[in-house]
Amino acid sequence: GNSVTQMEGPVTLSEEAFLTINCTYTATGYPSLFWYVQYPGEGLQLLLKATKADDKGSNKGFEATYRKETTSFHLEKGSVQVSDSAVYFCALNDYKLSFGAGTTVTVRA
Amino acid sequence: DAGVTQSPTHLIKTRGQQVTLRCSPKSGHDTVSWYQQALGQGPQFIFQYYEEEERQRGNFPDRFSGHQFPNYSSELNVNALLLGDSALYLCASSSGQDYYGYTFGSGTRLTVV
Repeated sequence: GNSVTQMEGPVTLSEEAFLTINCTYTATGYPSLFWYVQYPGEGLQLLLKATKADDKGSNKGFEATYRKETTSFHLEKGSVQVSDSAVYFCALNDYKLSFGAGTTVTVRA
Repeated sequence: DAGVTQSPTHLIKTRGQQVTLRCSPKSGHDTVSWYQQALGQGPQFIFQYYEEEERQRGNFPDRFSGHQFPNYSSELNVNALLLGDSALYLCASSSGQDYYGYTFGSGTRLTVV
């Protein structure tokens, strides 16, 4: 079945550092891909999405490009802030969302 | 514009008991999906309801059942609770065939003791 594998955490960074979280997927066909963020005690918020190969999703300084050749959708941000501390989930949509295990990111001031 | 509302926010139950969780979808949404998120893991799909019928189901036992009402709200029922059912239960709503616009609620934290 379809599945997502993402980089294990936790990841600890200093403010203004560069963030990358790797995500690869296994799927039949070409599903839509997503990154969700979960802040402590809250539900999931959609961070960005890409619906077809070579699409780049972006939001709040985060970016991810749908790479069909490498079946990847890595999340990047050039300069993180303390407020970016959260758990990040990569997911694919094949009529339901299939999530990775999540990566905990902590940004220190 | 209200988002997805889930109730209760927290719940403690004893093994063997039954529990009902509730979800009101975002205004304009008619499809409700339920997910189970164990501590430290990603959410796992339980099932999805559309037009008051179960449209898809994940790998969960029959102890997990649901219902969708004419106003699109939904319930998740779990019978014969096990310790392993302790988790955050998330409800997500969307609109019909729009698979890109899921909105999640804040979840119900269920603890089974």
